[in-house]
Amino acid sequence: AQSVAQPEDQVNVAEGNPLTVKCTYSVSGNPYLFWYVQYPNRGLQFLLKYITGDNLVKGSYGFEAEFNKSQTSFHLKKPSALVSDSALYFCAVRVPPGAGSYQLTFGKGTKLSVIP
Amino acid sequence: DTGVSQDPRHKITKRGQNVTFRCDPISEHNRLYWYRQTLGQGPEFLTYFQNEAQLEKSRLLSDRFSAERPKGSFSTLEIQRTEQGDSAMYLCASSTLTGSNSPLHFGNGTRLTVT
Repeated sequence: AQSVAQPEDQVNVAEGNPLTVKCTYSVSGNPYLFWYVQYPNRGLQFLLKYITGDNLVKGSYGFEAEFNKSQTSFHLKKPSALVSDSALYFCAVRVPPGAGSYQLTFGKGTKLSVIP
Repeated sequence: DTGVSQDPRHKITKRGQNVTFRCDPISEHNRLYWYRQTLGQGPEFLTYFQNEAQLEKSRLLSDRFSAERPKGSFSTLEIQRTEQGDSAMYLCASSTLTGSNSPLHFGNGTRLTVT
């Protein structure tokens, strides 16, 4: 079964500084990896995904993520944090097609606080 | 694209009562998912529909839970004989059929409180 670990419950960063939100995964076969963001009392919004190809993927709102197969990691990054980036961030993994499951498995989430 | 719509936004019920939630996916999306999210946790998969066919169910989906998507459009999730442990946010998501890597579009959820 696939799983996702987000080792930090909370990340605090000063506005304008780079941010990193960590994610490691466990899955059989090649993973499909995703990042979502959730604002209070709202559903999740898709940020970016890694399926294959370049290990550095770019997404919405200036976010990017780096896939590292040897470390089974998919850390979310942004060069310069904004106060409006403060939210809950979820990493998710699913198995490739043909593996018999369609479910996306989420981590517990990391609360990002950007301090003005 | 009006987004995924869920109704109601909030539901308070007494233990033992039945509740039903509705989800209207994005119109051209063939895939529909239900997830449950409790405080401090990520969403947990409940079930998946491709058109009207329910193709996958989590073991979390006890026999008190049932989901339908009768015409391949909107879906309902019913919980019978609710328990306090059912209190959670119930999220619906949809995606297109083209490619298994298409991202999920989530609704704003239905928050259930069982008293």
